[in-house]
Amino acid sequence: GIQVEQSPPDLILQEGANSTLRCNFSDSVNNLQWFHQNPWGQLINLFYIPSGTKQNGRLSATTVATERYSLLYISSSQTTDSGVYFCASAGMDSSYKLIFGSGTRLLVRP
Amino acid sequence: DTEVTQTPKHLVMGMTNKKSLKCEQHMGHRAMYWYKQKAKKPPELMFVYSYEKLSINESVPSRFSPECPNSSLLNLHLHALQPEDSALYLCASSQTKTAPFPYNSNQPQHFGDGTRLSIL
Repeated sequence: GIQVEQSPPDLILQEGANSTLRCNFSDSVNNLQWFHQNPWGQLINLFYIPSGTKQNGRLSATTVATERYSLLYISSSQTTDSGVYFCASAGMDSSYKLIFGSGTRLLVRP
Repeated sequence: DTEVTQTPKHLVMGMTNKKSLKCEQHMGHRAMYWYKQKAKKPPELMFVYSYEKLSINESVPSRFSPECPNSSLLNLHLHALQPEDSALYLCASSQTKTAPFPYNSNQPQHFGDGTRLSIL
């Protein structure tokens, strides 16, 4: 099955800094989603982005499907951005099964 | 994603108890999922329902018994759980094309807030 790798595993930022999180996937994908899991465990949908670029406020994401990677950009980070960011993908032959990466644990300090 | 509602938010139960987790969505989605997430790990798929039929069981022990009584509801019945079953249980739903399953669906999955389960 498809494999999903995220980097970096941990990231500490000062409030106001920008960051880029990366997700590599091993095969052609039918689905790619970015999630933010807050300290209370809520898994929040950030982007559904199997290809192309999207922006939502201070967050944006780009997926280059032909090169099998996706990037999540966080600009002007805030303490509320802290938590774990997951990339999840589903292969073409098993689009029902989201495979999650190990996540990037982000801490934004005031 | 508040469009998928899970109850209860927290559950503590003994190993001999029987309890149920509940998940509800009103987005008209016909695919619903249960995921299990252990501490400091990513979510892992347990079950998939498509059009109220169990389509995928990811080799989950029989002490977990899913049920989909209608297109909006998904239950997970728990019996004789072990301490290692303590985890966050997440429900998700998505649009799907019509049968047959497995389908080629490029639709996002929407997650509930989860039930945090502790087994004593």
